[in-house]
Amino acid sequence: AQKITQTQPGMFVQEKEAVTLDCTYDTSDPSYGLFWYKQPSSGEMIFLIYQGSYDQQNATEGRYSLNFQKARKSANLVISASQLGDSAMYFCAMREGSGGGADGLTFGKGTHLIIQP
Amino acid sequence: AAGVIQSPRHLIKEKRETATLKCYPIPRHDTVYWYQQGPGQDPQFLISFYEKMQSDKGSIPDRFSAQQFSDYHSELNMSSLELGDSALYFCASSLEQGYYGYTFGSGTRLTVV
Repeated sequence: AQKITQTQPGMFVQEKEAVTLDCTYDTSDPSYGLFWYKQPSSGEMIFLIYQGSYDQQNATEGRYSLNFQKARKSANLVISASQLGDSAMYFCAMREGSGGGADGLTFGKGTHLIIQP
Repeated sequence: AAGVIQSPRHLIKEKRETATLKCYPIPRHDTVYWYQQGPGQDPQFLISFYEKMQSDKGSIPDRFSAQQFSDYHSELNMSSLELGDSALYFCASSLEQGYYGYTFGSGTRLTVV
């Protein structure tokens, strides 16, 4: 079974609109971390936001916020006031465990977001 | 701020050749991770090192090996290259085995012809 599911292969959004990128996850570990990364066409992997499983509040970083619904195992990324430069692939990723053991991240298949002027 | 440095940025090799990719983590980061991202695919975790010891292993082929050196830089060695090894190879580094998050390098794009 997929550990990270991103159901939107591609999205077109008008500039200045808010965007929600979906991510659901599957784990039986009570301690885990959820990450969102942006990958522009140039290829680099840019960290956007992190949510720990025990965090009481939803994470926010500037225009990015994470809508964390633990019971539904959902960690959607919300981008407010989208910009042309937001056009990129977006990956949701999970680390199981509290970080000890240098566990690798498991990535979803990604969502290709295109912002239209 | 210093980032994760990967070299080379691009590499072209022929089938059956050997390739070595290098990764220089952020200063004071003690953990290094390697990922492989095929064309149009999500990154796949290969292997990680903490304090110069192998820590976790993912879907790394037996033809690949890696190590972390005393200065914390890491090298990924790939032998008997196949066309399917063509991919973007990322290195990431972290402090305390990822507890504080991960920083990725810009990647090495390997093309096997």
